[in-house]
Amino acid sequence: DQQVKQNSPSLSVQEGRISILNCDYTNSMFDYFLWYKKYPAEGPTFLISISSIKDKNEDGRFTVFLNKSAKHLSLHIVPSQPGDSAVYFCAASGTSGTYKYIFGTGTRLKVLA
Amino acid sequence: GAVVSQHPSRVICKSGTSVKIECRSLDFQATTMFWYRQFPKQSLMLMATSNEGSKATYEQGVEKDKFLINHASLTLSTLTVTSAHPEDSSFYICSARDQEGAHGELFFGEGSRLTVL
Repeated sequence: DQQVKQNSPSLSVQEGRISILNCDYTNSMFDYFLWYKKYPAEGPTFLISISSIKDKNEDGRFTVFLNKSAKHLSLHIVPSQPGDSAVYFCAASGTSGTYKYIFGTGTRLKVLA
Repeated sequence: GAVVSQHPSRVICKSGTSVKIECRSLDFQATTMFWYRQFPKQSLMLMATSNEGSKATYEQGVEKDKFLINHASLTLSTLTVTSAHPEDSSFYICSARDQEGAHGELFFGEGSRLTVL
């Protein structure tokens, strides 16, 4: 049972344009969400997070939008740069004892120069 | 940000042997660490939650006797893959939070690539 899903396994975007990565979740108990970026053979690095009390969080070129009613979040990268090419994972957590994170399946973003 | 380090980054072993992977939080204490496994082109799968001073909590489908986890100190958790088989070949990643009992950024180690021949 995949509680966190990223339905697009890959995405190609032209440099300078906007990249939009989507993530859906099924567990209504999730109340904290994060986006991670991962290069091959490396551990993921944190990008941005959002709490369920907000619907938007912005950090530089990265903005995360949360639609709780639709159980959907998205990551916008603008303008996209070739260095943004990587696999992006969304992760969700609920208020359980250990606050463990469940990761989505990942979307491979390729930014074309 | 906080630093989590894994060792070794790459290990090759023969089938039937055991392999230990270490995960250290370098500049913070972590009572809880998480072990993930990533198959090629797939998501990060949570294997278990490592609890300092107590038994690890394993996710459904993960064999406790196969993947031994020890969290002996506030800065070190180890994952031992026992009697390794080729299907155990994977990328194993540990992570920890620097804030206990709360949401927050999860810091990841560099990952360990295990190849079982």
